[in-house]
Amino acid sequence: GESVGLHLPTLSVQEGDNSIINCAYSNSASDYFIWYKQESGKGPQFIIDIRSNMDKRQGQRVTVLLNKTVKHLSLQIAATQPGDSAVYFCALRGAGRRALTFGSGTRLQVQP
Amino acid sequence: DTEVTQTPKHLVMGMTNKKSLKCEQHMGHRAMYWYKQKAKKPPELMFVYSYEKLSINESVPSRFSPECPNSSLLNLHLHALQPEDSALYLCASSQEGLSVEQYFGPGTRLTVT
Repeated sequence: GESVGLHLPTLSVQEGDNSIINCAYSNSASDYFIWYKQESGKGPQFIIDIRSNMDKRQGQRVTVLLNKTVKHLSLQIAATQPGDSAVYFCALRGAGRRALTFGSGTRLQVQP
Repeated sequence: DTEVTQTPKHLVMGMTNKKSLKCEQHMGHRAMYWYKQKAKKPPELMFVYSYEKLSINESVPSRFSPECPNSSLLNLHLHALQPEDSALYLCASSQEGLSVEQYFGPGTRLTVT
C-alpha cells in the first residue's frame, strides 16, 4: 500500500533563513508529488507539485526536489517569513489518477 | 471567486441526531471531495464526486451519506454518529476528478456527544 512519512514533526527556523521540509514515501508508482500548507483554522492550501519524471521544480520562494532513487521529497522555502508558519503536508497521487495520500505533516515555526 | 465555503463552522450533535454539512464552490470545478481530519493528523479522503456522480467511496460507514445536488454543491448527511467521528470535515474541489491541485474549504468542526 501507499505510505508517506515525514522526518521531523516540528521545524523551528529564524525569520529570513531557508527552510527544508523532508518527506519519505514508499509507493514508487506515484505519478505526482504535492506539497500542501495548512494554517491554523484553515483548510490545506496547494503550494506546488512535481511530476514523477522530474527531479526539481521551482515556484515563488519554494523549490521541490524529488529523489526517486531513495524515495525522498523535499520542500525548500527561501527567506522564510512569519506567514510561512503552518503545518506542511506532502502528498502523492498513485499512478492511474488515483486519490491523494497525505503524509503526517511537519509544523514549521518561524521565530522573529 | 476562488473560495470553497462550508457551513456550519462548528457543529455539536448527539448520537441520535441527524444533521447535514454543506459545501459550495463557484469556480466551475467538476470534482468535489469530502475529507476527514483528526487533530494533528493529515486529511483522509472519504468521498469523491466527479461530474455530480459518486466516483470514490473510501469504505466510509453508512452513517455518513454524501449528496451532490449539482456541480456547485456538496452535502454530507450525518446520522447516528459515534463520538469517534468527532473531527474536522473538509470539503475540496478541483477542475477535474482526482486533480493534484485541490481547493479546500475551512472545514466544519464536528463534535459528537
